[in-house]
Amino acid sequence: GQQLNQSPQSMFIQEGEDVSMNCTSSSIFNTWLWYKQDPGEGPVLLIALYKAGELTSNGRLTAQFGITRKDSFLNISASIPSDVGIYFCAGRGYGNKLVFGAGTILRVKS
Amino acid sequence: DVKVTQSSRYLVKRTGEKVFLECVQDMDHENMFWYRQDPGLGLRLIYFSYDVKMKEKGDIPEGYSVSREKKERFSLILESASTNQTSMYLCASSSGTAYGYTFGSGTRLTVV
Repeated sequence: GQQLNQSPQSMFIQEGEDVSMNCTSSSIFNTWLWYKQDPGEGPVLLIALYKAGELTSNGRLTAQFGITRKDSFLNISASIPSDVGIYFCAGRGYGNKLVFGAGTILRVKS
Repeated sequence: DVKVTQSSRYLVKRTGEKVFLECVQDMDHENMFWYRQDPGLGLRLIYFSYDVKMKEKGDIPEGYSVSREKKERFSLILESASTNQTSMYLCASSSGTAYGYTFGSGTRLTVV
């Protein structure tokens, strides 16, 4: 099936640092979504992006829908211990199915 | 809030058993999905359904089947469980084509 390339695979950062992760695709998407999965739970939607070039914030999180519609990034500012988890990007082309990236594992050292 | 409930958080089954994973959503969503999650592989779509009694294969349907007899319930069936089906299984639902999915908490299945 279709795949998104999500990077980095994992990050181990100091509390207070900013974090950046991104996803790229060979296909054009109409929607980009970012999810976070806490240990032992299902993914929860963080941010949804619907237009090329769109920049959206949710607290310390900022995400952008790339101009080419083939990429998106997520930034987390001033990371805290509860930011640990797995972050997934997801894209939707024409149709209803989402395609997910493999995830970025975030570990924060306090 | 939309709630997607998966009936079991943890299951241990024997090889060859028939296994049922149940998922119920309470917001009248048309679309329901089953994924499995494995380290390094992300979320892989097994089956999905756009309506009652409808089902479509995802990317990895082999060894699985599904049932959707009621709009709110989507069941994943492992016809004859094998050890390579040990995984985290996630159910999700959505409405229409414009929005993200809402996920359940997952079922961690171990086949021994």
